Amino acid sequence: AQSVTQPDIHITVSEGASLELRCNYSYGATPYLFWYVQSPGQGLQLLLKYFSGDTLVQGIKGFEAEFKRSQSSFNLRKPSVHWSDAAEYFCAVGDNNNDMRFGAGTRLTVKP
Amino acid sequence: DTAVSQTPKYLVTQMGNDKSIKCEQNLGHDTMYWYKQDSKKFLKIMFSYNNKELIINETVPNRFSPKSPDKAHLNLHINSLELGDSAVYFCASSQAASPLHFGNGTRLTVT
Repeated sequence: AQSVTQPDIHITVSEGASLELRCNYSYGATPYLFWYVQSPGQGLQLLLKYFSGDTLVQGIKGFEAEFKRSQSSFNLRKPSVHWSDAAEYFCAVGDNNNDMRFGAGTRLTVKP
Repeated sequence: DTAVSQTPKYLVTQMGNDKSIKCEQNLGHDTMYWYKQDSKKFLKIMFSYNNKELIINETVPNRFSPKSPDKAHLNLHINSLELGDSAVYFCASSQAASPLHFGNGTRLTVT
């Protein structure tokens, strides 16, 4: 089955600073890639997805991600972080059989 | 509202008991899932059903038995609960290769 690695367990950034969360996947074919965000005590909310086409995808809340096949990566970025972005972020990879696997998550802390 | 809803939101029980968690989606999706999120936030797929048919069963102890009476419902029954079963269980649904829609989770605490 496919798998996802999020190398950073915890990242702290200052409010207003830029953010990049790393995600690497393992899958033999073209993957379906997703980023989700989870606020404390909540379910997961989709930020953005990549299926095909343009490798730079825009999502909600000002997030974007870039698919790089050569690096098997799908890193999430935001140019200016807001305090409300503090949450757990999950990268996920899916296949044609609806098998969706998640990374271990990256906890984002935002400093005032 | 269109959504994935699961009940109960909280479940506290003693070791050895049997409990069920219910999930319903009104999105018209064909596929439903159960995920387990442990204390370290790791999300592990447990089961998926497509049109009431079991598709994924990820080496989950057979104390866990999913049941899908129709494609809008996927319930999870757990027998002989153990301390290690304490976690948050998420139900989700999807259509084809679309993103998952998650319920708000059921926090199970086994004492």
